[in-house]
Amino acid sequence: DGGITQSPKYLFRKEGQNVTLSCEQNLNHDAMYWYRQDPGQGLRLIYYSQIVNDFQKGDIAEGYSVSREKKESFPLTVTSAQKNPTAFYLCASSLSPGQNNSPLHFGNGTRLTVT
Amino acid sequence: GENVEQHPSTLSVQEGDSAVIKCTYSDSASNYFPWYKQELGKRPQLIIDIRSNVGEKKDQRIAVTLNKTAKHFSLHITETQPEDSAVYFCAAGKSGGGADGLTFGKGTHLIIQP
Repeated sequence: DGGITQSPKYLFRKEGQNVTLSCEQNLNHDAMYWYRQDPGQGLRLIYYSQIVNDFQKGDIAEGYSVSREKKESFPLTVTSAQKNPTAFYLCASSLSPGQNNSPLHFGNGTRLTVT
Repeated sequence: GENVEQHPSTLSVQEGDSAVIKCTYSDSASNYFPWYKQELGKRPQLIIDIRSNVGEKKDQRIAVTLNKTAKHFSLHITETQPEDSAVYFCAAGKSGGGADGLTFGKGTHLIIQP
């Protein structure tokens, strides 16, 4: 359903540890995105990638890193520099951003808890 | 940059009544306005979208209206049903709708009272 797989669904880490969230899509979409969702905050863009081997910072990129070595995969690393990492993380994809009618398709999300 | 305001944050309506959620945007260059529905514990899903070349779009019980002059757009749900209970997000963006240009509202929690 949806063609975007995020794993794991729940993730627990100790403060000071880096953690990588997985996102894989089989929709042949060019563009992929990472959002962070906090209660009452809506969806905030962390990073996005329009093409393999290229990515851009979103609105809240500090403390995060990404890579886009394959079209299908866009992993997100939450580093120890992220001051408030506990959140719900959503990955999404879309056709080439320049195309019309290219809505976002979301994964089921990963809930990260850092203690 | 773009700023999207969404109201109300919580909306409770009786089953069968209509619900209206409103959003305003700040960037007059925005030309794409999608609405997403997120049920508890699930992914957001696109339910309807509108582009700036039209003023209204309908899909069964759901409609979206756009006022470019006033820079606001609204989601209308008629004959509400229990399965309409969810959080709804509006967004505004440019170009073809790619999310690099999308700014989301903070969401409206719609509660359908039986």
